[in-house]
Amino acid sequence: AQSVSQHNHHVILSEAASLELGCNYSYGGTVNLFWYVQYPGQHLQLLLKYFSGDPLVKGIKGFEAEFIKSKFSFNLRKPSVQWSDTAEYFCAVNIGNNRLAFGKGNQVVVIP
Amino acid sequence: NAGVTQTPKFRVLKTGQSMTLLCAQDMNHEYMYWYRQDPGMGLRLIHYSVGEGTTAKGEVPDGYNVSRLKKQNFLLGLESAAPSQTSVYFCASSPLQALHTEAFFGQGTRLTVV
Repeated sequence: AQSVSQHNHHVILSEAASLELGCNYSYGGTVNLFWYVQYPGQHLQLLLKYFSGDPLVKGIKGFEAEFIKSKFSFNLRKPSVQWSDTAEYFCAVNIGNNRLAFGKGNQVVVIP
Repeated sequence: NAGVTQTPKFRVLKTGQSMTLLCAQDMNHEYMYWYRQDPGMGLRLIHYSVGEGTTAKGEVPDGYNVSRLKKQNFLLGLESAAPSQTSVYFCASSPLQALHTEAFFGQGTRLTVV
């Protein structure tokens, strides 16, 4: 079945540590890929997106993601996290008409 | 600029009651969506609309109905609420040009069915 997979649902790390969240998708053809972030009690906000071109995408707040077509992956990274990065992170794929198929999310807790 | 506004923000229903969630967007977007968010499940698409007067089923449409009578509004109805519909509901919208753009989300409605 077509899906978006995110592993390691719960991630706990200390400030200044590096963060990498994996995302794999099984949809074929041309894909538009997104990472959304949801801070506690808030709505989803776009972190970054990939449509075409440079597979290394830079987003807000120091986040970046790399699209590797051969691996069907779109992993999110941040070299040095802050306490304010505590949030839930969702990978999503545009499956047509801008409908999004989401992964199950990664709950990230950054300890000061 | 309000963006996507959902009302109400919180609601508690008894099993069998009905209610309507309202989503309003002021960005003149063609597409609108209703998602539900459950712990460990991510967001799942309930229904969506690609324009005024049109609706379509998403991944989990059972138990819900929708209407898009005006371009700026997308209503989600629960005719007979069930405890399984306890969730956080998010509305989103996106412009007609589906490429190179993203969906914008509302603040969510937390619904509890007891």
